[in-house]
Amino acid sequence: DQQVKQNSPSLSVQEGRISILNCDYTNSMFDYFLWYKKYPAEGPTFLISISSIKDKNEDGRFTVFLNKSAKHLSLHIVPSQPGDSAVYFCAATGNTDKLIFGTGTRLQVFP
Amino acid sequence: DTGVSQDPRHKITKRGQNVTFRCDPISEHNRLYWYRQTLGQGPEFLTYFQNEAQLEKSRLLSDRFSAERPKGSFSTLEIQRTEQGDSAMYLCASSPSSGRSYNEQFFGPGTRLTVL
Repeated sequence: DQQVKQNSPSLSVQEGRISILNCDYTNSMFDYFLWYKKYPAEGPTFLISISSIKDKNEDGRFTVFLNKSAKHLSLHIVPSQPGDSAVYFCAATGNTDKLIFGTGTRLQVFP
Repeated sequence: DTGVSQDPRHKITKRGQNVTFRCDPISEHNRLYWYRQTLGQGPEFLTYFQNEAQLEKSRLLSDRFSAERPKGSFSTLEIQRTEQGDSAMYLCASSPSSGRSYNEQFFGPGTRLTVL
């Protein structure tokens, strides 16, 4: 049972444009959501997070939006840069301390 | 560098052999996690420690897997009688138990295990 879903396995965006990565979840007990970025042969790197009491969190070029009623969150990257090319994982946690990850979206930013 | 470190980075072994991986968390973090990642999937939770106490184990962690965190510092993950299905990236993460970042887990580079 996939509690966190990233339905787009890949996304290709031109440099300077907006990248929007989406994530859906099914478990109403999740109350904290995170985005991680992963390069090949490296561990995931924490990017940005959001608590369920908020609907938006912004950090530089990265903004995460949370729609609790739709059980949906998205990561916006503006402007996209070639160095943003990586696999992005959405993760969620609730009344336990473990993170539940989606399957990832591979973002490619081309010049 | 004061991040999470893992050793070895790569391990190739033959089916049936035992392997042990080590993780050194960020020094002020008292929570430590193990995850496993296979191709095309996100990391899957295996187990976690608060200090030296192992608080949760996934059903993915069969009897052949054992994890320890003596003295609440580094942790080891041992796999006995390895099987080809154990081939994966084994990731360690740590986090503080309180404060602003307590929900944020910081990952090491992983140990890639290949079982022949």
